[in-house]
Amino acid sequence: SYVLTQPPSVSVAPGKTARITCGGNNIGSKSVHWYQQKSGQAPVVVIYYDRDRPSGIPERFSGSNSGNTATLTISRIEAGDEADYYCQVWDSSGDPWVFGGGTKLTVL
Amino acid sequence: QVQLVQSGAEVKKPGASVKVSCRVSGYSATELSMHWVRQTPGKGLEWMGRFDPEHDETIYAQKFQGRVTMTEDTSTDTAYMELSSLSSEDTAVYYCSTIIPVTGTGAFDFWGQGTMVTVSS
Repeated sequence: SYVLTQPPSVSVAPGKTARITCGGNNIGSKSVHWYQQKSGQAPVVVIYYDRDRPSGIPERFSGSNSGNTATLTISRIEAGDEADYYCQVWDSSGDPWVFGGGTKLTVL
Repeated sequence: QVQLVQSGAEVKKPGASVKVSCRVSGYSATELSMHWVRQTPGKGLEWMGRFDPEHDETIYAQKFQGRVTMTEDTSTDTAYMELSSLSSEDTAVYYCSTIIPVTGTGAFDFWGQGTMVTVSS
């Protein structure tokens, strides 16, 4: 099965920019979705198809995808952004829907 | 607005089975493929499988093959996920989720609230 690798944790000060990576073999050829999961809640889509934002998601959230790395960027970090973030792709081999291991974003 | 409402928490003994339900409102369940995702304590999201009612087709993650059954009752717009031969490693929150074609995101747009399943002797 396709494997997605995320750093376990990222810490950033309020007002700064957080970048959360998602590594996978030639992930740039796939579409990546990103989810935010706050404590005790179900995940919420924050980025779909690499860089698109659902309605209601602040412009501070952006995404990119190239080569072997996809990146979720959150600018002007706020305390409310503290959450776990997961990347996800669809793969034609093995298990079709795959999640990364998740990254815990801590706002200092 | 699509809503997915899951059944309540369960406590099971090792070796038993559990059946979790997910009732769909705001959309016809017959038009939705229902996925199931679990999250073990302190761990990440794990895709378990999908039931496609339009084609009466299921796809299960390799890890759960032979132990999981996903079905749907179209008369009540309710999806079900049954997991058998439970062990302590199956203690987790189980979510139903779906990808709604009309949203155009291709992502898991809607999620149930989650069902905590605890396996303990």
